Amino acid sequence: DAGITQSPRHKVTETGTPVTLRCHQTENHRYMYWYRQDPGHGLRLIHYSYGVKDTDKGEVSDGYSVSRSKTEDFLLTLESATSSQTSVYFCAISDSGGAKNIQYFGAGTRLSVL
Amino acid sequence: QKEVEQDPGPLSVPEGAIVSLNCTYSNSAFQYFMWYRQYSRKGPELLMYTYSSGNKEDGRFTAQVDKSSKYISLFIRDSQPSDSATYLCAMSVVQGAQKLVFGQGTRLTINP
Repeated sequence: DAGITQSPRHKVTETGTPVTLRCHQTENHRYMYWYRQDPGHGLRLIHYSYGVKDTDKGEVSDGYSVSRSKTEDFLLTLESATSSQTSVYFCAISDSGGAKNIQYFGAGTRLSVL
Repeated sequence: QKEVEQDPGPLSVPEGAIVSLNCTYSNSAFQYFMWYRQYSRKGPELLMYTYSSGNKEDGRFTAQVDKSSKYISLFIRDSQPSDSATYLCAMSVVQGAQKLVFGQGTRLTINP
């Protein structure tokens, strides 16, 4: 998985609790992304980062926040988890933010919000 | 209307068949076209990418882009049970875009 580690791999939580997912890379790539994958929707971008402390929103960012304090770590936080945030979350990395934006993915985190 | 449309399938074919997977898109600014393969409960892995129109071949896989029709295809020759996976197309634009747009993914099963 291209030097990308996502943790935890599985998590079950209750509605209203905060949840943080971690993405760690060893490739020293500048760009990092968080996606969610749901049946019928494919991969949808939540947030992305183009450098340390530089982040921006994707198409489904409501209810999520991110932080990147080091090149290798990108955290996704659900401030108050809801059942609609039950999904599989993927982190991706890229060394190019331009058109040739080849992204490499982690193994994913399965999150269930009860 | 979604920027990228992909038939979700499922698609089931016998081993050895030629498989054709397709995506259509609406944004004429897309320049790079990618195919990812995703096995069950795994992350997507890059299979191939092409720039602009034309064909690209890698072993049993051929990626084809027709920009005039806004249509891309992935062909798999001599399909194997190990090719059973979900295949996602993805596209990006030339000028400073920092995201890919993905198709919904096609679930493919190759039957021995």
